Amino acid sequence: EVQLVESGGGLVQPGGSLRLSCAASGFTFSSYWMSWVRQAPGKGLEWVANIKQDGSEKYYVDSVKGRFTISRDNAKNSLYLQMNSLRAEDTAVYYCARSDGDYVPNWFDPWGQGTLVTVSS
Amino acid sequence: EIVLTQSPATLSLSPGERATLSCRASQSVSSYLAWYQQKPGQAPRLLIYDASNRATGIPARFSGSGSGTDFTLTISSLEPEDFAVYYCQQRSNWPPEFTFGPGTKVDIK
Repeated sequence: EVQLVESGGGLVQPGGSLRLSCAASGFTFSSYWMSWVRQAPGKGLEWVANIKQDGSEKYYVDSVKGRFTISRDNAKNSLYLQMNSLRAEDTAVYYCARSDGDYVPNWFDPWGQGTLVTVSS
Repeated sequence: EIVLTQSPATLSLSPGERATLSCRASQSVSSYLAWYQQKPGQAPRLLIYDASNRATGIPARFSGSGSGTDFTLTISSLEPEDFAVYYCQQRSNWPPEFTFGPGTKVDIK
């Protein structure tokens, strides 16, 4: 069974840092782009970042550029999101998702259950 | 940046009725459009990819159509478990960056 399990969320003060992890199982992790998508409380979905299979390409939404870093460890089947200089507007459930498509990532399937990040003093 | 608009914001229907959800892009996205279903407290689930292909395990009552800027998700006959929020999503040409529509809530009339 394909499974993604996030961890690392919690309460952090504005300006603080947090590192999210996503453990993947049930598929060949190193063969897929991977992404982080977030959802603020009561709001819609926002793509945050994605990373190519070998980690050579990484892309970010403008609002997190320079603050967040996506990375992966294919030997550990794990995806990460290092979040620095956190702001109140970063408060959200963060989902790990496998990116799929014929040659480039076009959609997200499956998704993890999410981990909540709350930025507040 | 491509903006996705979904309509209506809320759709109130009864079980057994047909649901038609619209997603419009501010510029052409070819067929690079996906649809997701999200229930309260759950992660989104992929329903449709590349505008019209059902994802694995998705019932045949869900269908997608469209290309370019106008897309439709149709649920032919609503089941009780279909009442949820539905999002469309597109991928920019390059780099692979993504945007979601604001969602359509399908609730029970």
